[in-house]
Amino acid sequence: EDKVVQSPLSLVVHEGDTVTLNCSYEVTNFRSLLWYKQEKKAPTFLFMLTSSGIEKKSGRLSSILDKKELSSILNITATQTGDSAIYLCAVEGERGSTLGRLYFGRGTQLTVWP
Amino acid sequence: DAGVIQSPRHEVTEMGQEVTLRCKPISGHNSLFWYRQTMMRGLELLIYFNNNVPIDDSGMPEDRFSAKMPNASFSTLKIQPSEPRDSAVYFCASTTRGSNQPQHFGDGTRLSIL
Repeated sequence: EDKVVQSPLSLVVHEGDTVTLNCSYEVTNFRSLLWYKQEKKAPTFLFMLTSSGIEKKSGRLSSILDKKELSSILNITATQTGDSAIYLCAVEGERGSTLGRLYFGRGTQLTVWP
Repeated sequence: DAGVIQSPRHEVTEMGQEVTLRCKPISGHNSLFWYRQTMMRGLELLIYFNNNVPIDDSGMPEDRFSAKMPNASFSTLKIQPSEPRDSAVYFCASTTRGSNQPQHFGDGTRLSIL
């Protein structure tokens, strides 16, 4: 059965700290890996990764995919209270009925204290 | 541009009642997904459609749940009869299948069955 595992499940840090969130997957017919941020409402898209070793960056957030290790990390530097959210990792299938389908992990609940 | 639009935002009803959740995908998207999110199980895919045709409904929990997509701009998820364990946040998402675009989520319907 296809599976996406995130760690840690929860994390509490102080403003200014750097955090690393982990995602590993066992998904056949891998097409892409996505990161979403969920505050109080809908998950909002952060990154889509398809190639190994190429870092994607947006401000203080960055992410990289390792297809050999079947994993990805999401880094947040100089954390702020506004970064407090659930971070979701999802993997997209490549063909047939899995094309376009996302397999989600349980998420990492990040809390940033002022 | 309008995002994915879901209604109602909140629904509180008594067990045994029929519940209908509605979703309007982003114009031009050809794939639509229904998810359910709970603390216990995280974000689960219930069913998804491509070009208005159901592709994978293996996540639909039981016969009490049904979903339709009569046209490219509208979908419903129906629960009949509803039970307290159906209480959750239900999200709808849309994308263009096979593109390099992520799924975009609506703000969800928070359903409470008393």
